Amino acid sequence: DTEVTQTPKHLVMGMTNKKSLKCEQHMGHRAMYWYKQKAKKPPELMFVYSYEKLSINESVPSRFSPECPNSSLLNLHLHALQPEDSALYLCASSQVAVQETQYFGPGTRLLVL
Amino acid sequence: KNEVEQSPQNLTAQEGEFITINCSYSVGISALHWLQQHPGGGIVSLFMLSSGKKKHGRLIATINIQEKHSSLHITASHPRDSAVYICAVEKGSQGNLIFGKGTKLSVKP
Repeated sequence: DTEVTQTPKHLVMGMTNKKSLKCEQHMGHRAMYWYKQKAKKPPELMFVYSYEKLSINESVPSRFSPECPNSSLLNLHLHALQPEDSALYLCASSQVAVQETQYFGPGTRLLVL
Repeated sequence: KNEVEQSPQNLTAQEGEFITINCSYSVGISALHWLQQHPGGGIVSLFMLSSGKKKHGRLIATINIQEKHSSLHITASHPRDSAVYICAVEKGSQGNLIFGKGTKLSVKP
């Protein structure tokens, strides 16, 4: 199983809503990543988890809150988002965090109204 | 100046042509990744290189560490190769990737 799954595929939320994005992998990978991708732009790294510990937070606003409850699961909790946060949110995983192929999920397309 | 530069930005080819996409970077890296993104968003990792050359089917990736340059070649291109190809460098020791802006490839039948 070389699949990274993400739910939901699409999400529309208001600026006062609280929602969560979910990412799951069963490849035994110990590094997991959240990326944000705006239209016609490359992905931008948001967070890296290594062995369930947050190792990188790329100065992401606190309205995005990551969580790694176990080695297979990665969540991104969303609260009080702004319309400019509308983007494709991609999750990826790799065996470990260094010099390893990253496997990407299909993404969650988020629209903030 | 971006730390990762790709060229060309856009590329149109006829089916069967040999294609080269270039990537230059200005920082020390531990690895370089070539990724493919189709319309709709899915990203597939094509290669991860730290030296030399790798080949997979019709795809070949090379890297010259001294010159801080990598190339992705596609032999006998096909319309299904149409996608955005992204070069990303791994700069630190924690898996953080810095992405180039991508090359949009369109292969015409």
